[in-house]
Amino acid sequence: NAGVTQTPKFQVLKTGQSMTLQCAQDMNHNSMYWYRQDPGMGLRLIYYSASEGTTDKGEVPNGYNVSRLNKREFSLRLESAAPSQTSVYFCASSEALRTDNSPLHFGNGTRLTVT
Amino acid sequence: EDKVVQSPLSLVVHEGDTVTLNCSYEVTNFRSLLWYKQEKKAPTFLFMLTSSGIEKKSGRLSSILDKKELFSILNITATQTGDSAVYLCAVVPIQGAQKLVFGQGTRLTINP
Repeated sequence: NAGVTQTPKFQVLKTGQSMTLQCAQDMNHNSMYWYRQDPGMGLRLIYYSASEGTTDKGEVPNGYNVSRLNKREFSLRLESAAPSQTSVYFCASSEALRTDNSPLHFGNGTRLTVT
Repeated sequence: EDKVVQSPLSLVVHEGDTVTLNCSYEVTNFRSLLWYKQEKKAPTFLFMLTSSGIEKKSGRLSSILDKKELFSILNITATQTGDSAVYLCAVVPIQGAQKLVFGQGTRLTINP
């Protein structure tokens, strides 16, 4: 049972380059999330998708775009990478935004460095 | 502004010791509190707490919530080197997981 799968695991970009981080879940969850984790800052929400066909901004959306391709897949795109986007990115999913019976399940993360 | 503060930020103990990790919060319209363990990669779910005073237990780990004083503790007894990790606390408000607020985490190191 794979759970939440993220690709790639590592990436180095030059300033101004673009890339897409991929995420797929096989738990039939409705809601999906993208977080970034920086030292001393905890996890911060970039974008989320409450259900297939919807996406909304989180706490730190600037410089990112997302696509909920289908129920399984939720991608995060950096159009013009900046050094401030150096971080570890986590994708997560849950049955619904109401997490009473379904906490968030996380992928293994993508470590992104922008030089 | 909603806030979750964990303490200590870092803790080093010897194998066999008991540790208590703290999580205090200021969140309007609280719904539940989550504890996660993060080793090298994905945070993995430990506990969800919604009611005060009810201890959740899993092996050597236990956790309890105090909604009056706005805090939770995570206890680990008879620690093992495999317990070394960052422990994350997060609070879910009524609006849902899109408003989930994480603390900074406590880095726990267990020395043999």
